[in-house]
Amino acid sequence: ETGVTQSPTHLIKTRGQQVTLRCSSQSGHNTVSWYQQALGQGPQFIFQYYREEENGRGNFPPRFSGLQFPNYSSELNVNALELDDSALYLCASSSDGLGELFFGEGSRLTVL
Amino acid sequence: GQQLNQSPQSMFIQEGEDVSMNCTSSSIFNTWLWYKQEPGEGPVLLIALYKAGELTSNGRLTAQFGITRKDSFLNISASIPSDVGIYFCAGQTNTGNQFYFGTGTSLTVIP
Repeated sequence: ETGVTQSPTHLIKTRGQQVTLRCSSQSGHNTVSWYQQALGQGPQFIFQYYREEENGRGNFPPRFSGLQFPNYSSELNVNALELDDSALYLCASSSDGLGELFFGEGSRLTVL
Repeated sequence: GQQLNQSPQSMFIQEGEDVSMNCTSSSIFNTWLWYKQEPGEGPVLLIALYKAGELTSNGRLTAQFGITRKDSFLNISASIPSDVGIYFCAGQTNTGNQFYFGTGTSLTVIP
């Protein structure tokens, strides 16, 4: 069984740039959720994708957007990066959006 | 959004001691999850709880879904050095699909 994989693991961007983060869900899972974890904090829900559509969104501005592909993998895009966007971005997969979330190792984004 | 209060914020214990931590919410949850996170890694699921009063074990770990459905507890028995990490609770209501996370309990085990 393949777990959740994310790429890249680390990246550095400058303010105003755009970034795309990628996630492959655990085999057998059709739902992907994205979370942002600032240093010293618990993860905060960004949004969830199910059947290639956004299926719930947290308190994040529209410059945070995403996609889900037919193979259930997903992308998180962030436009017009701000310094406060520096964080660990976590992808989690689940089955039908219910129950247990299984996380990847995360993508560490630093915005300078 | 929902606020999850997790306590204690940090713990320093001797190897072999038992550990207890808890999580409380202002809202009723229908699912509680407990995670452990080590530096530079993603959270790893330890235990999932789905019913009020449920008590579930995973090796030396035991977690309970509070009767009020507004709290949950995690106990670790006979701690060992590899238990070091940050433990997070997460809860989900029946009206949405997001999980709300606590602020974490940092555990240090002194050999």
